[in-house]
Amino acid sequence: EVVMTQSPATLSVSPGERATLSCRASQSVSSNLAWYQQKPGQAPRLLIYGASTRATGIPARFNGIGSGTEFTLTIISLQSEDFAVYHCQQYNAWPRTFGQGTKVEIK
Amino acid sequence: QVQLQQWGAGLLKPSETLSLTCSIYGGSFTGYSWTWIRQPPGKGLEWIGEISHGGTTKYTPSLESRVTISLDTSKKQFSLQLRSVTAADTAVYFCARVYSTSFNYYYYYYMDVWGKGTTVTVSS
Repeated sequence: EVVMTQSPATLSVSPGERATLSCRASQSVSSNLAWYQQKPGQAPRLLIYGASTRATGIPARFNGIGSGTEFTLTIISLQSEDFAVYHCQQYNAWPRTFGQGTKVEIK
Repeated sequence: QVQLQQWGAGLLKPSETLSLTCSIYGGSFTGYSWTWIRQPPGKGLEWIGEISHGGTTKYTPSLESRVTISLDTSKKQFSLQLRSVTAADTAVYFCARVYSTSFNYYYYYYMDVWGKGTTVTVSS
């Protein structure tokens, strides 16, 4: 199975600053990667698919790049509603697998 | 707007069977796959498996011997059964809709509609 590793586990950022989250796959997943945002007590919300395509209604401050084994989610100018846990997920192979998540907290 | 409503028993004893059901409201059943994902307390998401609208299933290997995902097209529902549960199965369980498509050289697959989650605790 493809192991997804996210770093850092926790990222402390001030509102208005940029957050950079990393996701690494144990083998190439091409561009078959999605990012989800999850707030406490809620279900995850789709942000990005195809490594870089924003889902409907997702603000332009969320940007995804990468292919193969290295992926990055950048949140430009963090807003208060962006403090949450972010999960990456590969869909290149079965079983689908998620990273362990990166928590973005207020600095 | 499509909504998923899920329900099932929240407290189980070891060796019992976990049963959860997810109903689809306000949208089409066909053309999508339907998935179950769980999240142990304080941990990340774990994909359990999915079923296509045609009834084809895929499961994660670590649970495959204990899990069944089924579909009732007449009721627009899909269900999860996990047999012989232990404390390690304690988690929040989510149902979700999977959209997938491929064109040119691109393949897209994502969960775009989620249920609210059901907390399942396994304890003697």
